Amino acid sequence: GAGVSQSPSNKVTEKGKDVELRCDPISGHTALYWYRQSLGQGLEFLIYFQGNSAPDKSGLPSDRFSAERTGGSVSTLTIQRTQQEDSAVYLCASSLWDRDHNEQFFGPGTRLTVL
Amino acid sequence: AQSVSQHNHHVILSEAASLELGCNYSYGGTVNLFWYVQYPGQHLQLLLKYFSGDPLVKGIKGFEAEFIKSKFSFNLRKPSVQWSDTAEYFCAVNAWGSQGNLIFGKGTKLSVKP
Repeated sequence: GAGVSQSPSNKVTEKGKDVELRCDPISGHTALYWYRQSLGQGLEFLIYFQGNSAPDKSGLPSDRFSAERTGGSVSTLTIQRTQQEDSAVYLCASSLWDRDHNEQFFGPGTRLTVL
Repeated sequence: AQSVSQHNHHVILSEAASLELGCNYSYGGTVNLFWYVQYPGQHLQLLLKYFSGDPLVKGIKGFEAEFIKSKFSFNLRKPSVQWSDTAEYFCAVNAWGSQGNLIFGKGTKLSVKP
């Protein structure tokens, strides 16, 4: 079956511009997660959604970062006024909302480069 | 706060050598434990997981891991590595029954020489 998909696969932007990253989770997965992977920092949690609501936004690094999810499916992560330190691979994952089967399945990521 | 430590940053082995990658976590409650693998140019894939029951879990491609609760450890093992196992390996944890985020270790890069 289809896995988690993300678009674009690569994004190069200039400092100060806004970017939107998209994630399509596995069909039927009610939980959706955003992480950031950067050199030296490993995998860093950003935010997760249960359905369309985000119970935990604690990982967002600044108020320039926001995310939404609509229809319990697609999610977008928006970074406003991008900075060079935002350069990283942004990963999306999804899982079933099930205590015994909550392993997360990851997408291929969006590589963001801020010049 | 939860944390995960992976002891080795980079491991270099020859084919057929045995592998053990260390992972220790810090959390006072019951946890779910995972190993993910990222092959060059590919996305993260689940290698194996522990939720409950037998502490020795078997995953794909001949990998296994043992949960030792008293040591807060979840080490990954493979008796004989192949060149195709060259990848980065990540240990991760979340609280049992939680649908929240995974806490990842920094990763261990494995290079297998043919």
